This record gives sequence, structure tokens and C-alpha cells, in this order.
Amino acid sequence: DSGVTQTPKHLITATGQRVTLRCSPRSGDLSVYWYQQSLDQGLQFLIQYYNGEERAKGNILERFSAQQFPDLHSELNLSSLELGDSALYFCASSVGQTPYNSPLHFGNGTRLTVT
Amino acid sequence: GDSVTQMEGPVTLSEEAFLTINCTYTATGYPSLFWYVQYPGEGLQLLLKATKADDKGSNKGFEATYRKETTSFHLEKGSVQVSDSAVYFCALSESGAGSYQLTFGKGTKLSVIP
Repeated sequence: DSGVTQTPKHLITATGQRVTLRCSPRSGDLSVYWYQQSLDQGLQFLIQYYNGEERAKGNILERFSAQQFPDLHSELNLSSLELGDSALYFCASSVGQTPYNSPLHFGNGTRLTVT
Repeated sequence: GDSVTQMEGPVTLSEEAFLTINCTYTATGYPSLFWYVQYPGEGLQLLLKATKADDKGSNKGFEATYRKETTSFHLEKGSVQVSDSAVYFCALSESGAGSYQLTFGKGTKLSVIP
């Protein structure tokens, strides 16, 4: 058990809808990262927050947004969903600001299916 | 930009066979290198890491050596077990300010048969 909790585990929704994925980091971790895993693209970095502030953006679509709250949990909001958004979404947390010297700990992911 | 290239899978081995999964990288600076493992239905777990050239990371019988001259970080294990069946990801993270991303390879699926 990594200590990172993601909810829900599975989500099935229709095209055009909006969903929210939630992540609770390990106790003491200040950084939260979001990754998308799909068969064709592999693991793609979406966005990172450190202690409530956005630190880095990767291949995140404009239809997607995220935030980290004062209690350090994070939410990833996906809107105007398309079939191609179907994927496994991972949250990871770490103590420090960069993965260079602060390894990431991953949750078990939320599997999103858009029909 | 940074990138990681892993050998294509899937890889199928018999129990007690020797494992090598190749990984090469492209980076502008001096990255830290990682191997993560993903067991079925679970998130990624850090397997081992190396932070500078010639460092050897090791854990659970797995080893990888940071080779700057060949920009490689190949994963090896002398005798695999059925429980090692998983997907293995090579990854890098650059040093320095502004380097917040962990860049992953596409993963190599390993199946170990009894």
C-alpha cells in the first residue's frame, strides 16, 4: 500500500459529460502529480502541484483542470469528455518538489471509460 | 526534450531464467534514473534508482547501472520468479530548477511461466 488514495476506482460516463477524480496524498507529502496512462500513449504527465501551487504542466488538455486544496488533497476535473479520454488516471505524491531526489508514490488509479 | 526508450515487450521467460530489459535515455543535463514496476491492477511502485554515473541501484534481486557513456540503464535479474510478472517502466528526472517531470518509457510487460 503506497498510502496514496484515489477515488473512484472506476468511472463510466458518456461523451460530453464532466467528471472529477480525487486524490489524497501520503501523509506528509506536499507534491501531487497527475498522470494519464493509455495503451497507445503510455504514461503521460499532466500536471503537478506543490503545497497548493501549480508547479508544472505537461500534456494537459484545456478541457482538463486540477487543483490542490489546503488539506493537500487534489482533484482532477475532466470536461466535455471524448471517447479518447478513456484511460487510467494516476495520482502520485512525494515529499519534495521534484522527482529528481524525491521519489513518487503512486495510487492505484481511476479507470475512466467514456461511452 | 527528454525521452526514454525501452525494449518492446512482451517478454516471456521461464522461472529462474536471466532477465534483461534494455533502457536508453536522452536528456539535456544529468538526470536521475529510475525503474518502476506495475503489478496487475495496481499503481506504479519504485523498484530502484540511481542518481549519478556508475551508480548501481538494486532491490529485490534486480539491478541497474547508470551508464553515462552509453546513456543506458538496463534492468537485470539473475533468476526471475513467477511473482516478478508485471510491467516495468524506465524513467528519468532532470536535475535543476524547473525540472518537475518524471519522463517514462512505454513499459515492458514481463510474464514468467513456471
